[in-house]
Amino acid sequence: DADVTQTPRNRITKTGKRIMLECSQTKGHDRMYWYRQDPGLGLRLIYYSFDVKDINKGEISDGYSVSRQAQAKFSLSLESAIPNQTALYFCATSDPQGEAYEQYFGPGTRLTVT
Amino acid sequence: QQPVQSPQAVILREGEDAVINCSSSKALYSVHWYRQKHGEAPIFLMILLKGGEQKGHDKISASFNEKKQQSSLYLTASQLSYSGTYFCGTDLQGAQKLVFGQGTRLTINP
Repeated sequence: DADVTQTPRNRITKTGKRIMLECSQTKGHDRMYWYRQDPGLGLRLIYYSFDVKDINKGEISDGYSVSRQAQAKFSLSLESAIPNQTALYFCATSDPQGEAYEQYFGPGTRLTVT
Repeated sequence: QQPVQSPQAVILREGEDAVINCSSSKALYSVHWYRQKHGEAPIFLMILLKGGEQKGHDKISASFNEKKQQSSLYLTASQLSYSGTYFCGTDLQGAQKLVFGQGTRLTINP
């Protein structure tokens, strides 16, 4: 089984709809992240969470909100979707132990807003 | 501030070498390198901590020049499996929060 899972994998929605993307992990990591990927722009950080009670905005948080329901679950919501939120969304986790950490990415959710 | 990667794209024949550069306008605590195959999640390659160390495994290595705020990824005798988009991620304060570059697309042809 995958260590970091995302649901749904693909989603098409209409402008103005509220949608939620979910991320679950079995790695036992405290730190979780949401990124969006657009062609030519790389990965941009939306929100990150260092534990259940610690939520932080990233580079591009406007139009998004998150919820950390448990250590293993981190959800991203688009309150009122707009077409320029069409992108590939990745969840990632990392282990805070030590300096040489790596981020483990989920398979991604491809979101299309029409 | 997003780090700048160069080149944006490179096409090689199998067996040739490649260098991908990553430059930051800010002092760096660490630099991370990831590779992403089309339609897949990014996969961690290596991390370089401040101190100018060089790391490597197999035929992929990287260097980090702390003073110049630059890192370079070296792919030697490239294999078809090296194809993909390479991203550098920079951590300014050791806070486990990365800012990624725009990516370098590497294509290896037989």
